[in-house]
Amino acid sequence: EPEVTQTPSHQVTQMGQEVILRCVPISNHLYFYWYRQILGQKVEFLVSFYNNEISEKSEIFDDQFSVERPDGSNFTLKIRSTKLEDSAMYFCASSRTGGWGNQPQHFGDGTRLSIL
Amino acid sequence: KNEVEQSPQNLTAQEGEFITINCSYSVGISALHWLQQHPGGGIVSLFMLSSGKKKHGRLIATINIQEKHSSLHITASHPRDSAVYICAASKGAQKLVFGQGTRLTINP
Repeated sequence: EPEVTQTPSHQVTQMGQEVILRCVPISNHLYFYWYRQILGQKVEFLVSFYNNEISEKSEIFDDQFSVERPDGSNFTLKIRSTKLEDSAMYFCASSRTGGWGNQPQHFGDGTRLSIL
Repeated sequence: KNEVEQSPQNLTAQEGEFITINCSYSVGISALHWLQQHPGGGIVSLFMLSSGKKKHGRLIATINIQEKHSSLHITASHPRDSAVYICAASKGAQKLVFGQGTRLTINP
């Protein structure tokens, strides 16, 4: 069965550095998402992406964050000037359709980001 | 108040017991999702439903739209069912709003 893959599985970065988290969504999926889960807390929506643009973003997704689909297969989350509170598990997800034509979202295994 | 609330937060049971996890939501939704999070952190989608009931193996999910309530049931529970079970609601353009999860432990 096709899978969403995320790399790296664990990223350790110094505070203030930039990180790029990478995701390869399922190939025929059109909607892409990033979520994060701070240790011990619930999963939170960051951003959804469709047709090469952001379709929705949360309050968390401020100017520090950006997303890109650079080559038709990868979907990346960039965090500029990382802070300690950015330490979390980041999940990528994809679905075939979005909006009110509901489809299940398929999740990657996550990238654990640790900011020192 | 959280838009999606789950109960209980923690549940420990013996192998073979019938398990019920509840989810209430306070917003209009397009669908309700049940997900499983393994100890390593990975998330797997179990069910997506907007009405009625769905069954997959020993797992059953139900939803009552009028009462804004959903339940996940596990029959003949097994230690390998031990995981965190998460309820999430789809709103609008498929953004998921997550509950806080229920940590289930099944003892042999």
